[in-house]
Amino acid sequence: GENVEQHPSTLSVQEGDSAVIKCTYSDSASNYFPWYKQELGKRPQLIIDIRSNVGEKKDQRIAVTLNKTAKHFSLHITETQPEDSAVYFCAAVNNDMRFGAGTRLTVKP
Amino acid sequence: SQTIHQWPATLVQPVGSPLSLECTVEGTSNPNLYWYRQAAGRGLQLLFYSVGIGQISSEVPQNLSASRPQDRQFILSSKKLLLSDSGFYLCAWSVGGLNQPQHFGDGTRLSIL
Repeated sequence: GENVEQHPSTLSVQEGDSAVIKCTYSDSASNYFPWYKQELGKRPQLIIDIRSNVGEKKDQRIAVTLNKTAKHFSLHITETQPEDSAVYFCAAVNNDMRFGAGTRLTVKP
Repeated sequence: SQTIHQWPATLVQPVGSPLSLECTVEGTSNPNLYWYRQAAGRGLQLLFYSVGIGQISSEVPQNLSASRPQDRQFILSSKKLLLSDSGFYLCAWSVGGLNQPQHFGDGTRLSIL
């Protein structure tokens, strides 16, 4: 089955800096890669996703890149703000759905 | 618009007691429904998913079971809870399969004593 590894587990940045979170997956047939943001005690919310036929997708300050050859995908957040502080989860989907262990992002004002 | 309701929000149960967590979705028909568990400080583990009434797929062997008695109702159950069943349980729905955006409920925090 699919195995997803997510790095780093914690990330602290200064407000205004960029943050990058990387995930690697094992199943080359995986075709859908969502990213979820979970604030403390709240539900996970989809922030961006990418499909295997696309290399990059951007939505305002958030972007995701996918390298199918290397089997990794990354979340990029630019001009970080304190409200970006949360736990971020990646996932890879083929016939099943596997989540990474999460990255706790802290944006210091 | 679509909404998802999950209850209770928190639950404290003794070891060996039964469990029933309920999830309902409004504003959409024939959704795919999912149950996840999130252990403290960990990622999400898919437990069950359902593509229709009475259709349940189990992702991991465990002490839990799921049922879908109605189109927009998904229930997570156990006959006898174990300490290891403690965690944060999340229900989610999507239109279509696993490769579609999922929408999560607020979750149930389950503590086993």
